[in-house]
Amino acid sequence: TAGITQAPTSQILAAGRSMTLRCTQDMRHNAMYWYRQDLGLGLRLIHYSNTAGTTGKGEVPDGYSVSRANTDDFPLTLASAVPSQTSVYFCASSANRNQPQHFGDGTRLSIL
Amino acid sequence: DQQVKQNSPSLSVQEGRISILNCDYTNSMFDYFLWYKKYPAEGPTFLISISSIKDKNEDGRFTVFLNKSAKHLSLHIVPSQPGDSAVYFCAATGTSGTYKYIFGTGTRLKVLA
Repeated sequence: TAGITQAPTSQILAAGRSMTLRCTQDMRHNAMYWYRQDLGLGLRLIHYSNTAGTTGKGEVPDGYSVSRANTDDFPLTLASAVPSQTSVYFCASSANRNQPQHFGDGTRLSIL
Repeated sequence: DQQVKQNSPSLSVQEGRISILNCDYTNSMFDYFLWYKKYPAEGPTFLISISSIKDKNEDGRFTVFLNKSAKHLSLHIVPSQPGDSAVYFCAATGTSGTYKYIFGTGTRLKVLA
């Protein structure tokens, strides 16, 4: 059972470069989410999508963009990476409102 | 402004005893609460949830209690097992609004054999 697949698993990126983190789900869930996890701050929502074709901003959206062209894919793009974006990024999905989220195993991103 | 707070960063419990993890929230619009467990190098895994129409939900060794007047929820694990050692996150959302979930900062539970 695949569930949520994130790629890459880890990446080192030079500041100023762009990067797209990939996320694919095979559960046909309507909603998808991107979080970052930082020590002492827990999981913070970056962007979300309630359904294909729509996206919304979370708590910390600056410096990130997303798209939801179809149900399965929800890529996260850093247009010009900065060191403060060093973090572990988790993608998640849920069937609908009031449903638990399923998480991928994360992408560990280091910006130098 | 932390809307969901887990004030204990860590907790150690002897195997077989009860583990109690606490979570407080400030937003009165939250009406659905969840607990997740996270092992190192893995994504969080859903554990148990509770709607605000209930004050208790039980699933095997795991029970979540909700005190709406105090804006407080707790997760009880009985009996605790070494495999329960993980970071536990509580999360909250308002079901009449957007799909946004707000997570706490997590509590690292260590169950000692």
